[in-house]
Amino acid sequence: SQQGEEDPQALSIQEGENATMNCSYKTSINNLQWYRQNSGRGLVHLILIRSNEREKHSGRLRVTLDTSKKSSSLLITASRAADTASYFCATPIRGNAGNMLTFGGGTRLMVKP
Amino acid sequence: GAGVSQSPRYKVAKRGQDVALRCDPISGHVSLFWYQQALGQGPEFLTYFQNEAQLDKSGLPSDRFFAERPEGSVSTLKIQRTQQEDSAVYLCASSVGQGLYNEQFFGPGTRLTVL
Repeated sequence: SQQGEEDPQALSIQEGENATMNCSYKTSINNLQWYRQNSGRGLVHLILIRSNEREKHSGRLRVTLDTSKKSSSLLITASRAADTASYFCATPIRGNAGNMLTFGGGTRLMVKP
Repeated sequence: GAGVSQSPRYKVAKRGQDVALRCDPISGHVSLFWYQQALGQGPEFLTYFQNEAQLDKSGLPSDRFFAERPEGSVSTLKIQRTQQEDSAVYLCASSVGQGLYNEQFFGPGTRLTVL
């Protein structure tokens, strides 16, 4: 079963526009992570936001976390064609040894040049 | 430095065959994870190793799936008597420790197709 659900499932925008993806989760968390996956490749870690943080920036990425609503958003500003990929939110599975992650279903972003 | 590598990148198996998928984690990484990713879905956890110890195998879908990491570095995921529903991308990830804030580094995955 998957903890997170991304919205929208697919998003198509023009280069230069901003892209916003949302993630909702079900149980309490220590942190939430966003990953990117290019077609046919592994996942690349983008950013981690801790449960006591509300907003975090990394380059053109901005992540927000609202623990009261159990939701997070990923904003990519000034998008580029190279941003075309699937984006996943992930949270650690509590109560287990290690920090295995549970992922949402992903948002498939297409940035048109 | 080198990242996580997996081999083979692609595997086609006939139903009923056994397959073995290899993962080379980043050197020195204590934690190793296997995930299964069906087409159009997010990855789902299969199993977790801390060094050579398999501490969690709750995600393995059946007893046909077996994983090992005998020397605490390279890991192998074996699937016996493959079925069509086993077709997926199998991702391996490693992290330096087991803390909640340790980043997981993923390999490119092995795409398994069972005919």
